Amino acid sequence: DGGITQSPKYLFRKEGQNVTLSCEQNLNHDAMYWYRQDPGQGLRLIYYSQIVNDFQKGDIAEGYSVSREKKESFPLTVTSAQKNPTAFYLCASSMTPGGTEAFFGQGTRLTVV
Amino acid sequence: GQNIDQPTEMTATEGAIVQINCTYQTSGFNGLFWYQQHAGEAPTFLSYNVLDGLEEKGRFSSFLSRSKGYSYLLLKELQMKDSASYLCAVRLYAGNNRKLIWGLGTSLAVNP
Repeated sequence: DGGITQSPKYLFRKEGQNVTLSCEQNLNHDAMYWYRQDPGQGLRLIYYSQIVNDFQKGDIAEGYSVSREKKESFPLTVTSAQKNPTAFYLCASSMTPGGTEAFFGQGTRLTVV
Repeated sequence: GQNIDQPTEMTATEGAIVQINCTYQTSGFNGLFWYQQHAGEAPTFLSYNVLDGLEEKGRFSSFLSRSKGYSYLLLKELQMKDSASYLCAVRLYAGNNRKLIWGLGTSLAVNP
């Protein structure tokens, strides 16, 4: 079955540590996205990629980094520079940039302890 | 600026009909999406409107009026499993870039 997979579902990290969230899709989609979701706030775009080896900052990119070395994969690193990293992180993909439908992964809930 | 408004919470009864409204003020409108999100889970796609009018898909329908900057999602024959958050998102088009902006979501509680 085609889909988009995020791992892990729950992640704990100590303050000051970097952590990488995985996102893999086998839908052959060109575009991939990382969102952050906090209680009482809408989805906020962190980074997006429209094609392999290219990515752009979203609205809240500070403290995050990404790579897009393969079409299928778009990992997100939450660095120690991110001041408030505890959140629900969602990865999504669409066939074309801003395509008619975005498919989401199951999400990763990151908690900094 | 770009802005999307939805009611924060709604309550309805099993078997009834509920309408969730979404108003937007944006530039470069290029389509409107509705997603359903159960607590702790990923959003799932419900509907897409780019032209004015009503799109029907089973128990769910979505309406768009571009001149009024207004959309609604209509849920019929409500079921308990429809208790979820409903997200309205607008796609903006500017040059070669397209992006989605998201409303805060409407939390719907379906009561027996």
